[in-house]
Amino acid sequence: DVKVTQSSRYLVKRTGEKVFLECVQDMDHENMFWYRQDPGLGLRLIYFSYDVKMKEKGDIPEGYSVSREKKERFSLILESASTNQTSMYLCASRLTGAREALHFGNGTRLTVT
Amino acid sequence: GDSVTQMEGPVTLSEEAFLTINCTYTATGYPSLFWYVQYPGEGLQLLLKATKADDKGSNKGFEATYRKETTSFHLEKGSVQVSDSAVYFCALRSFQKLVFGTGTRLLVSP
Repeated sequence: DVKVTQSSRYLVKRTGEKVFLECVQDMDHENMFWYRQDPGLGLRLIYFSYDVKMKEKGDIPEGYSVSREKKERFSLILESASTNQTSMYLCASRLTGAREALHFGNGTRLTVT
Repeated sequence: GDSVTQMEGPVTLSEEAFLTINCTYTATGYPSLFWYVQYPGEGLQLLLKATKADDKGSNKGFEATYRKETTSFHLEKGSVQVSDSAVYFCALRSFQKLVFGTGTRLLVSP
């Protein structure tokens, strides 16, 4: 079974802090994704990566950056956390191919005070 | 752009009732379609998928048929259980990205 592990289940940070959310997958997937999940808005794509050192903006990249130095690890960075970034963050990965499904981690609930 | 529309919840049912959660989509080309389920405190899990018109995806008693003519992918189950209580997301694959609906919460009571 594919395992996608997010390093923290809950995080509380202060406004202006730099925040790192880490995600690791163990199935050699090329593609990795970061989503945020908010009530009434569903899942929105922040960034994705289809290869090491490659990244693409999703629908809501403002205020975020990402790093993919190794194939198995995809980090989401909040350069200067703000209260409107309080959310559930979900990492996912998949193989390349039109029929491949996403495999999700359990999420990190981030609260910015 | 591509989008997915789901019925708003919550959907409240008694155990053994019939379930339908509606999903329609707008997309260019011929996307693959998915249903994901999120149990409390967990990430999303793939429930079923269909990759071309008239395909039927099925898993754990749930079914959905890819209807190109009505651009729909409605989720159905003949007899729900309390353990099916969760949030269900319809999604389509658009190039490299997955586009999700807003989710429908299902509450099943004994």
